[in-house]
Amino acid sequence: QVQLQQWGAGLLKPSETLSLTCAVYGGSFSRYYWTWVRQPPGRGLEWIGEINPSGGTTYNPSLKSRVSISADTSKNQFSLKLTSLTAADTAVYYCARATITTIAVVGYKYYYMDVWGKGTTVTVSS
Amino acid sequence: SSELTQDPAVSVALGQTVRITCQGDSLRTYYASWYQQKPGQAPVLVIFGVNQRPSGIPDRFSGSSSGNTASLTVTGAQAEDEADYYCNSRDTSGEHPVFGGGTRLTVL
Repeated sequence: QVQLQQWGAGLLKPSETLSLTCAVYGGSFSRYYWTWVRQPPGRGLEWIGEINPSGGTTYNPSLKSRVSISADTSKNQFSLKLTSLTAADTAVYYCARATITTIAVVGYKYYYMDVWGKGTTVTVSS
Repeated sequence: SSELTQDPAVSVALGQTVRITCQGDSLRTYYASWYQQKPGQAPVLVIFGVNQRPSGIPDRFSGSSSGNTASLTVTGAQAEDEADYYCNSRDTSGEHPVFGGGTRLTVL
């Protein structure tokens, strides 16, 4: 059974850089989209970005100038960096495994995140 | 603003059936996936694809789709189903994922 274990600093100051890492245990690292999602206190889920099976990255346009995601396939790990933190970045950060599949016969696709890390609470405060 | 729209809250009597909906143009191309989130816990995938449940998800959870609307139905809601539910797909361009704003389900 695939598990994601994530870690990183939980208390940061404004202007600092958030760094989180997520390790994949028990499954293949290739073929999937490795994703970061966050959830501010009392609010909904926000997609941050992903790294695809080819190693390419895509980011939420609202965070694009501050975020980077990388992967170390030799360790089955992927990482998130978010720079120039403000209080608005206070949230629980989750890593997740995602899949995109196309059903050619009907021309439909499906996308889902089937494995999630437990989350890391990140607080940005002076 | 989210490209997927959900009602903020829905309630259901214990043992009854409830439908949670999600609307968005991307749902004409992508089937929605649905996640259950209980307080203090990570989201859990409950429905994906046409109407597929991951292992361990009770069969009282089902999904359907028509046009730009996807629905999650809980048939015979239990107290433990009380949670926030989020729909998710890629956006209309397919470039990146989007979440609905979430629906809080209360079981009365």
